Amino acid sequence: GAVVSQHPSRVICKSGTSVKIECRSLDFQATTMFWYRQFPKKSLMLMATSNEGSKATYEQGVEKDKFLINHASLTLSTLTVTSAHPEDSSFYICSARKFGPRETQYFGPGTRLLVL
Amino acid sequence: QKEVEQNSGPLSVPEGAIASLNCTYSDRGSQSFFWYRQYSGKSPELIMSIYSNGDKEDGRFTAQLNKASQYVSLLIRDSQPSDSATYLCAVLRPGGYNKLIFGAGTRLAVHP
Repeated sequence: GAVVSQHPSRVICKSGTSVKIECRSLDFQATTMFWYRQFPKKSLMLMATSNEGSKATYEQGVEKDKFLINHASLTLSTLTVTSAHPEDSSFYICSARKFGPRETQYFGPGTRLLVL
Repeated sequence: QKEVEQNSGPLSVPEGAIASLNCTYSDRGSQSFFWYRQYSGKSPELIMSIYSNGDKEDGRFTAQLNKASQYVSLLIRDSQPSDSATYLCAVLRPGGYNKLIFGAGTRLAVHP
């Protein structure tokens, strides 16, 4: 397997503040990472693809100015939720792509965001 | 038609029985298929991957792939209460950045 970490695991913030979530691949290099969000009892929704050294690719309907993604190194991608509002409260999960004989994606433990 | 379809369940099986989870996909060009397990409040955990037609076994888990029928399944033998979770079928969409497309998940409940 492979290890992907996320920090923080849980965050509570006031409406209007910005929140940064970090995703790290601990034992492999990941040129590509993905950011998902998941609402209770719903499936994962891909928000964006994060590429090391270039701009992220956002899925349709996801505001790129709202969800800022930076992939500054081969082991770190960050998602910043800007001017968070209560409707942004969700479970945010990253995954990192590991290349090998077969490509596989490994998920971080997730970050639960609550915006008051 | 959704790209990846799963029965949402819940699928309820007694402890010790075989649980059978099914998934169909629409893109015939797909080559890589995955099963993830997600416990409530946790992130998905990769449990099986399969790339060729036929069966692939790993412990109590067997993944089955039939590309002609565009069908993937996961069998869990000797089901345990700890297997109770949502099982997500994922298909790697070819091209570009190779996105994983997830089904909605099947909730499995194993009762003692």
